[in-house]
Amino acid sequence: GAGVSQSPSNKVTEKGKDVELRCDPISGHTALYWYRQSLGQGLEFLIYFQGNSAPDKSGLPSDRFSAERTGGSVSTLTIQRTQQEDSAVYLCASSLEQGAYTQYFGPGTRLTVL
Amino acid sequence: DQQVKQNSPSLSVQEGRISILNCDYTNSMFDYFLWYKKYPAEGPTFLISISSIKDKNEDGRFTVFLNKSAKHLSLHIVPSQPGDSAVYFCAATNSGYALNFGKGTSLLVTP
Repeated sequence: GAGVSQSPSNKVTEKGKDVELRCDPISGHTALYWYRQSLGQGLEFLIYFQGNSAPDKSGLPSDRFSAERTGGSVSTLTIQRTQQEDSAVYLCASSLEQGAYTQYFGPGTRLTVL
Repeated sequence: DQQVKQNSPSLSVQEGRISILNCDYTNSMFDYFLWYKKYPAEGPTFLISISSIKDKNEDGRFTVFLNKSAKHLSLHIVPSQPGDSAVYFCAATNSGYALNFGKGTSLLVTP
């Protein structure tokens, strides 16, 4: 079946602009996760959703970052007033349910803030 | 602070030989460990995992060993194949949702 998909695959934006990144999880997966990978670093957990609710937002780096999920499916990660340090690959993953440890990742969105 | 560490950024192995990738962790509360493989421009792909109640898990050419007292795990690939060339990430969790990743080890398998 179809895997996790993300769009856009690449995004170049100017400092100060807002960006939206989209994630379509695997059909039937109730848990959804956002991570980011900065250059030379491991993946950093940002936020997860169980259904449409986000019990843990502690990984979001600042209040410029927000995420939502609607209909228990598609999720959007929004970064307001982007900064150069936001440049990274943003990865989305899904799992059958929260507590199902194996997470399946999408290809990521490479964000470059000029 | 990095709770999962992969101290070897790169590893080169000849085809047919064993590849051993290492991972150390600092949080004794971690109860589940995973290895992911990543090709350029793709997302990480799940490879193999192990629960803290076990010390070994095997799947085909891939075996993961867990040494809880040393807070160390390793991934063995036998025999190594050129298609195994990729970046390998070790991950650990105790929350059931947030995976803590190492920085990865780039494996190159030469013919």
